[in-house]
Amino acid sequence: QVQLQESGPGLVEPSQTLSLTCTVSGGSISSGTSYWSWIRQPAGKGLEWIGRIYSSGSTNYNPSLKSRVTMSIDTSRSQFSLKLSSVTAADTAVYYCARGVTQHWAFDIWGQGTMVTVSS
Amino acid sequence: EIVLTQSPGTLSLSPGERATLSCRASQSVSSTYLAWYQLKPGQAPRLLIYGASSRATGIPDRFSGSGSGTDFTLTISRLQPEDFAVYYCQQYTTSPLTFGGGTKVEIK
Repeated sequence: QVQLQESGPGLVEPSQTLSLTCTVSGGSISSGTSYWSWIRQPAGKGLEWIGRIYSSGSTNYNPSLKSRVTMSIDTSRSQFSLKLSSVTAADTAVYYCARGVTQHWAFDIWGQGTMVTVSS
Repeated sequence: EIVLTQSPGTLSLSPGERATLSCRASQSVSSTYLAWYQLKPGQAPRLLIYGASSRATGIPDRFSGSGSGTDFTLTISRLQPEDFAVYYCQQYTTSPLTFGGGTKVEIK
């Protein structure tokens, strides 16, 4: 059974770079029918898609965050990562990693989520 | 960007009752790329429905999805105690992928 686990600092200072990693276990990160995404949820608000990456390294980002987002993938470690630069308090949220299915673009597997607070 | 508007914001119902959740899109969405999720505090989100009406693996048949174009519905036929949660619709007909604002189903 495929499982995803987010990891990274829970506290980031304003103007710094938020860095998170998602580790995939129980299945292949290189599946041709999957893609890998980051999604976040600020407290009391809805879900926001940040972007996606394929095992090839090809990426697509939400235009609202594109100038600050970089995603990467390490298939040898079964991990993919998120970097969000120049963070502010508005970036405080629970960050989820998720597996998308290319057939229908829905996310069938999610991590538990990790809370990231932007504060000095 | 396609905006998804979910209604109502909160649905107060009793166990055993039927829940009907609406998701309306600002422009036409391909049914193939419309999904519904359940979120509970401290848990990983759960895919319920994809392709507007197909149940995901392991989802009970009391959950059903329907709709096309700009109007989609998630129905829970008889609410069980574990169904009280927040539900989100999601589309990817056009980039960026977007989610609705959510409907909270709470115990009356």
